[in-house]
Amino acid sequence: DAKTTQPTSMDCAEGRAANLPCNHSTISGNEYVYWYRQIHSQGPQYIIHGLKNNETNEMASLIITEDRKSSTLILPHATLRDTAVYYCIVRSRNTGTASKLTFGTGTRLQVTL
Amino acid sequence: NAGVTQTPKFRVLKTGQSMTLLCAQDMNHEYMYWYRQDPGMGLRLIHYSVGEGTTAKGEVPDGYNVSRLKKQNFLLGLESAAPSQTSVYFCASTGTGLPSREQYFGPGTRLTVT
Repeated sequence: DAKTTQPTSMDCAEGRAANLPCNHSTISGNEYVYWYRQIHSQGPQYIIHGLKNNETNEMASLIITEDRKSSTLILPHATLRDTAVYYCIVRSRNTGTASKLTFGTGTRLQVTL
Repeated sequence: NAGVTQTPKFRVLKTGQSMTLLCAQDMNHEYMYWYRQDPGMGLRLIHYSVGEGTTAKGEVPDGYNVSRLKKQNFLLGLESAAPSQTSVYFCASTGTGLPSREQYFGPGTRLTVT
């Protein structure tokens, strides 16, 4: 699976949009981009995923560049409860990989008043 | 649905002792996984299973064994615990029928080996 690069930490004011970037320049055509987050040492929580189109759900939006080499997770109105470590993960669509995930160190997002 | 549950939540072992961590899921998922997370690091895959009766090695399998005798349960064993195995252990599961095949994680087991 392609490796990802994320900033170590970011700050965001409550109520503002949080934009978390991820670089995955070696991504291949059969690989998804997934985002998970981990709140204070709880188990990671799935947020969103995409292949090449932008995606939106009740939690966040995912913007993938046209060349698919980078993406941005957007939390439109960050709250204090969004303070967490956010992981960007690239995962193969191939069913033979058993849907395994490879976690990096992620971005620690601190939402402040 | 309880989702993914893990027992115990906390445990302290002495070096050389053995123990088994239990993971249970009630979502009828085919795939199950064991990860460990050390302070300040991401999760690393220890072992995984693609179905009842099957297991496979992940990124860091040494010192651990697993068994998947029932579809809903995935056991992680430490035969002779070492201080290097002090970590937080997470179990996860996913179903093959889901379009996204997102993984659902348990709350974790904090293990300290002294």
